[in-house]
Amino acid sequence: AQSVAQPEDQVNVAEGNPLTVKCTYSVSGNPYLFWYVQYPNRGLQFLLKYITGDNLVKGSYGFEAEFNKSQTSFHLKKPSALVSDSALYFCAVRDPKAAGNKLTFGGGTRVLVKP
Amino acid sequence: DAGVTQSPTHLIKTRGQQVTLRCSPKSGHDTVSWYQQALGQGPQFIFQYYEEEERQRGNFPDRFSGHQFPNYSSELNVNALLLGDSALYLCASSFGRQGVIYQYFGPGTRLLVL
Repeated sequence: AQSVAQPEDQVNVAEGNPLTVKCTYSVSGNPYLFWYVQYPNRGLQFLLKYITGDNLVKGSYGFEAEFNKSQTSFHLKKPSALVSDSALYFCAVRDPKAAGNKLTFGGGTRVLVKP
Repeated sequence: DAGVTQSPTHLIKTRGQQVTLRCSPKSGHDTVSWYQQALGQGPQFIFQYYEEEERQRGNFPDRFSGHQFPNYSSELNVNALLLGDSALYLCASSFGRQGVIYQYFGPGTRLLVL
């Protein structure tokens, strides 16, 4: 069975500082990995995905993520955080061998960027 | 181009009642997935519909059922509502035939069971 862990419930960072949101996963075989962001009273917005290839993936709004197979991690990063990045972030994994494209999500990490 | 739309936005029901939630996928998408997001938690996969058939199902009881129509829109039905069914219900659509796909999510329907 596939699973995702986001070890931090909340991350606090000052505006302009680098932001990292951690994610580790468990899945048989090579995973498909995703990051989504959720603003209050909104659905999920796609940020980026890793399927294959370069371990460093660039996504929307200046976010990037690094796939590390040996550590089974897929941490989300942003070099310089903005106050508007304050939101709930979810890491998700999909088993490419499964018939459908079910996503398994982590519990989420709340990011608070202070001015 | 409209994205994924869901109706209603909010709903209040009492225990034991039945509820139907609706979802229209993004234009060009043929696969619809439903997720339940309880307060303070990540979304949990309920099931997925493709070509009007349930293709994949998560660990939800039979009280949760669904349907997909020929125009790819979908309904989620929940019978015999429990207090624990209170959650944000998210619909996601994708193009399901080949390749790597990511899912577009709708704004959700917030269900409160009293």
